[in-house]
Amino acid sequence: QKEVEQDPGPLSVPEGAIVSLNCTYSNSAFQYFMWYRQYSRKGPELLMYTYSSGNKEDGRFTAQVDKSSKYISLFIRDSQPSDSATYLCAMRTIYNFNKFYFGSGTKLNVKP
Amino acid sequence: NAGVTQTPKFRVLKTGQSMTLLCAQDMNHEYMYWYRQDPGMGLRLIHYSVGEGTTAKGEVPDGYNVSRLKKQNFLLGLESAAPSQTSVYFCASSSTSSGTSGTDTQYFGPGTRLTVL
Repeated sequence: QKEVEQDPGPLSVPEGAIVSLNCTYSNSAFQYFMWYRQYSRKGPELLMYTYSSGNKEDGRFTAQVDKSSKYISLFIRDSQPSDSATYLCAMRTIYNFNKFYFGSGTKLNVKP
Repeated sequence: NAGVTQTPKFRVLKTGQSMTLLCAQDMNHEYMYWYRQDPGMGLRLIHYSVGEGTTAKGEVPDGYNVSRLKKQNFLLGLESAAPSQTSVYFCASSSTSSGTSGTDTQYFGPGTRLTVL
């Protein structure tokens, strides 16, 4: 069983919809949680970063961490065609700064 | 500030040929990483380095070698390329900060698309 699980999609939504992307994990030592956005034929770029539990909001994006359920989410409000990309979750523990665990990515398509 | 750059962007090799992929970062990061990304497999760590002159194996190191002679550069070598090494290779770097601001997360390069025939 992989330590980080992510539904590969693809997820197709109409423009303006609210998008929910999720990852589950098994290692209770994970404390740092990240969401990366990867456009086709590009490298991943950091979108959101959360430490421990709770919510973090940045514009149309909200990252949510539920450590009790070992579940993280990324919400995109008022989705735009420019949000069409693959979204990767990543996480790491407090013990090892150079070990990042990635989900396999969810492909999102926002239709105009 | 270029961030993380990778050379070359594309390459086609024949089985058995060798090549070196170059990664450079201008953020003064201590840590550097090489990943490969394959459909449905996500990012898999090949090798990483925690500082100049040090390297370590990741999840899928076989068939690859690395060197970090300078802090800003991290080289990935394929001594005898195989079709199974056809992939997109990403370099990343991160700082040693232990803060919670997100400054210690990884920054990725644009990738190198490698095809081995």
